[in-house]
Formats: sequence, structure tokens, C-alpha cells
Amino acid sequence: ILNVEQSPQSLHVQEGDSTNFTCSFPSSNFYALHWYRWETAKSPEALFVMTLNGDEKKKGRISATLNTKEGYSYLYIKGSQPEDSATYLCAFADNNDMRFGAGTRLTVKP
Amino acid sequence: GAGVSQSPRYKVAKRGQDVALRCDPISGHVSLFWYQQALGQGPEFLTYFQNEAQLDKSGLPSDRFFAERPEGSVSTLKIQRTQQEDSAVYLCASSLGRSGRSEQYFGPGTRLTVT
Repeated sequence: ILNVEQSPQSLHVQEGDSTNFTCSFPSSNFYALHWYRWETAKSPEALFVMTLNGDEKKKGRISATLNTKEGYSYLYIKGSQPEDSATYLCAFADNNDMRFGAGTRLTVKP
Repeated sequence: GAGVSQSPRYKVAKRGQDVALRCDPISGHVSLFWYQQALGQGPEFLTYFQNEAQLDKSGLPSDRFFAERPEGSVSTLKIQRTQQEDSAVYLCASSLGRSGRSEQYFGPGTRLTVT
């Protein structure tokens, strides 16, 4: 059984704060690590797909890093805005399937 | 639009009924995934198709669950003799590539309630 763990489960920050959360995953049979953003009443949307150890990806104020040897990825949000409020999911892919974590629910207060 | 669509959006079934959930992936997407999402949890993998071939069905919780994608496009997830524990949101996702390195595009989900 593959376990993908995300922490914290939930996070409340003030507008303008920077924040980060963690995804840990099995370090064997690694193929890719995905991050998705899931707003209430919408479908999950892809943020990043990361495949190489040491990958760093950035989209606007959101960035992510990947360490496949130790099995973790960090997602960073700089200067959080209320519209960043969502659940952030990571997913570990091996050759055939995907395993999602339970997500980190971020609430940004104005 | 040209996104992934799912129908119905909501389904209420009496325990013991059979249900069929439909997924229309993005045209040309090779891979199709089904997930089950219980309240407060992340999506749980059910099954994966590459074109019409079901390459992995290890996540299907019981033999009451069956999925097909006969022509490599539309997929149907069928649940026979529904039970209350089957109540969940069922998400479908498609991706262009043949592997887990392609980003997935999700449909809006079907919320199944078994009474």
C-alpha cells in the first residue's frame, strides 16, 4: 500500500502571509509527483507535475520543490491572498496509478 | 466547453439498486482515471484506462464495481447492489499522455447518495 501524507491538514493564515505545506510519499517506484488545487464546488486543477529530484517549479506566487530520495515535496505560497483559499492535493504516480494525499485545506483571512 | 464532463451530477439510489456513472473525457486524451472521494478525504484511486484497455483496477473496492471504456473515449463506472458505504463523490479525470507524468483534467464529479 502506498501512503501519501500531507501536513498540516488545515491551515489558517492572514492575507499577506507566506506559507508552506508538505507532501511525503514513498521513495521507491517514483514516477511523478503532482500538485492540484481544489476550490470548493469546482474540479481539482493541476498546478505542477514534477518528475526529477531537485525539481523546482513556479507559477506566480506558488512554487514547489521535490526531493525524491527522501520522499517529500514542499508547496510554497508567497503573500497569500483570499483567493488562494482552497484544498491543495498532492498525488504520487507510479507506472500505472495515482495515489492522492488527503490534502491541506488553506484558508486565507482578509 | 471542452473539459471533462460527468453525468449525472447527483444521484440518489436506494440500497440494492444498480447505478451507472458516465464520464466524457477531453477528446484525444489517452488516459482516463476514476476516483472515489469520501467526505473530508482526498480522492482514492479506483481504476485506470489507457485507451480502451483497463490497465489497473486494483482500487475497485469490491466486485460490485465495474468500469469500462469500450471505444477508448467515454467511460462508465457501474456499481451493482449499492450499499450505504458507496456514498461518495466519484471523480473522473483524463490526461493526454500515457503515463502518470501528464497532468490530469478533472470532471465536476458525481455525488452518489445511497439511502
